[in-house]
Amino acid sequence: AQSVTQPDIHITVSEGASLELRCNYSYGATPYLFWYVQSPGQGLQLLLKYFSGDTLVQGIKGFEAEFKRSQSSFNLRKPSVHWSDAAEYFCAVGCSGGGADGLTFGKGTHLIIQP
Amino acid sequence: SAVISQKPSRDICQRGTSLTIQCQVDSQVTMMFWYRQQPGQSLTLIATANQGSEATYESGFVIDKFPISRPNLTFSTLTVSNLSPEDSSIYLCSVAAMLALNTEAFFGQGTRLTVV
Repeated sequence: AQSVTQPDIHITVSEGASLELRCNYSYGATPYLFWYVQSPGQGLQLLLKYFSGDTLVQGIKGFEAEFKRSQSSFNLRKPSVHWSDAAEYFCAVGCSGGGADGLTFGKGTHLIIQP
Repeated sequence: SAVISQKPSRDICQRGTSLTIQCQVDSQVTMMFWYRQQPGQSLTLIATANQGSEATYESGFVIDKFPISRPNLTFSTLTVSNLSPEDSSIYLCSVAAMLALNTEAFFGQGTRLTVV
């Protein structure tokens, strides 16, 4: 069975600083990987996804993620965070494109932005 | 894409009662999913609901506790039965729908349930 580990429960970053959120997955085949953001009182929004091809994936809101098969990782990065990026971030893995068979989520990382 | 409407957005229920959550999608979709997000936790898949067949439940979830209906391609309900405080969670509906040339998962806003 697949699993996702987000080792950082909370991360605090100063506004304008760079960000990296870690995600490690366990899956027997080629994974479909996703990052979602959940703002307070809001639903889940897809930031980016990896299915195949280029291992560096660009997403919305200036986010990117890099798939590293050798490390079973899919870390999310942003060069300069904004106060509006404060939210809960979830990494997820699926066994088919787009989560058509349901997704397995990590426990999430709570991002706090310091002024 | 798909726009999902979940009702109610929140509710407070007495233990021993049941709550039915509705999920309406603005387009026809084959796959619908129900997730639970317990306080401070991640999302856990409860079941997959396909139209015309019984829902498929994940390990740890049973039909008697979480009966699901899927009467057509745009609607589903999840009932949380015989409520206990441990059922206090956010319940989310999700669908897999086409966006451009790919399938993508879309999520409703969630239903925040508090059991007292």
